[in-house]
Amino acid sequence: NAGVTQTPKFQVLKTGQSMTLQCAQDMNHEYMSWYRQDPGMGLRLIHYSVGAGITDQGEVPNGYNVSRSTTEDFPLRLLSAAPSQTSVYFCASSGRKTNTGELFFGEGSRLTVL
Amino acid sequence: AQSVTQPDIHITVSEGASLELRCNYSYGATPYLFWYVQSPGQGLQLLLKYFSGDTLVQGIKGFEAEFKRSQSSFNLRKPSVHWSDAAEYFCAQGAGSYQLTFGKGTKLSVIP
Repeated sequence: NAGVTQTPKFQVLKTGQSMTLQCAQDMNHEYMSWYRQDPGMGLRLIHYSVGAGITDQGEVPNGYNVSRSTTEDFPLRLLSAAPSQTSVYFCASSGRKTNTGELFFGEGSRLTVL
Repeated sequence: AQSVTQPDIHITVSEGASLELRCNYSYGATPYLFWYVQSPGQGLQLLLKYFSGDTLVQGIKGFEAEFKRSQSSFNLRKPSVHWSDAAEYFCAQGAGSYQLTFGKGTKLSVIP
C-alpha cells in the first residue's frame, strides 16, 4: 500500500514564486489535512478537508490555498512564497474506519524560500 | 481550545536505561490520545493510541503509555531504550473528530 504520497520531497523557491505541493492517498479516507512543522513549534494545522468539495482553515492558513476535487488528492498551493513559509510540510489523512481519528502521514516536503 | 503540553524539549538517556516522556492534555470528556514518533527526515509514525478501556496501552517497538484522567496525563514509557529509539516524539489529542492537536515534541537522544 502506498498510503499517503507527497511530492516533491524537496523544493527551493524564490520570494514571490508560486508552487503546489501534491498529496495523494489511496486509502479512501474522507479526511485530509496539511500541517507545517517548524523547530520548537510542533505541527500546526494549515488547512483540512472532510470530503471532496469541502475545505476549511486550520490554525495557520494565511498564504496557503487548498482544494479537494477528488477523495484521493489534496494539493496545497503557495500563491506568493515568502521566507516565513520555509518549513517542512506534512500531508495526513484519516477515515471513519480508523474509528479514533488516527492520522496517517506522508513523508514530508521540505520547502526553502529564499 | 484543546492544548497538549510536552514539558521536556530534549531528553538524553543511556542505552538500556528506562524512559518516560511526559504529556499533559487539556480537559476533555473522552480524549483520544496518541503518541507519534518521527525519525530524522521521516514522517510521523503512530506508536500507540488510547480512546477507551484499559488505561495502560501497549504500542509498537516496546512502548507503552498510561492514561491518568486525574492528572490529565498520558506519559510514554519504555523499560529499556535502544539506540534506534533516538527520534522526536509527539503527543497528540483528538476529540472524536479528525483534527488532532499536537504537542511541540520531545527530542530523545540515546548515549551508547
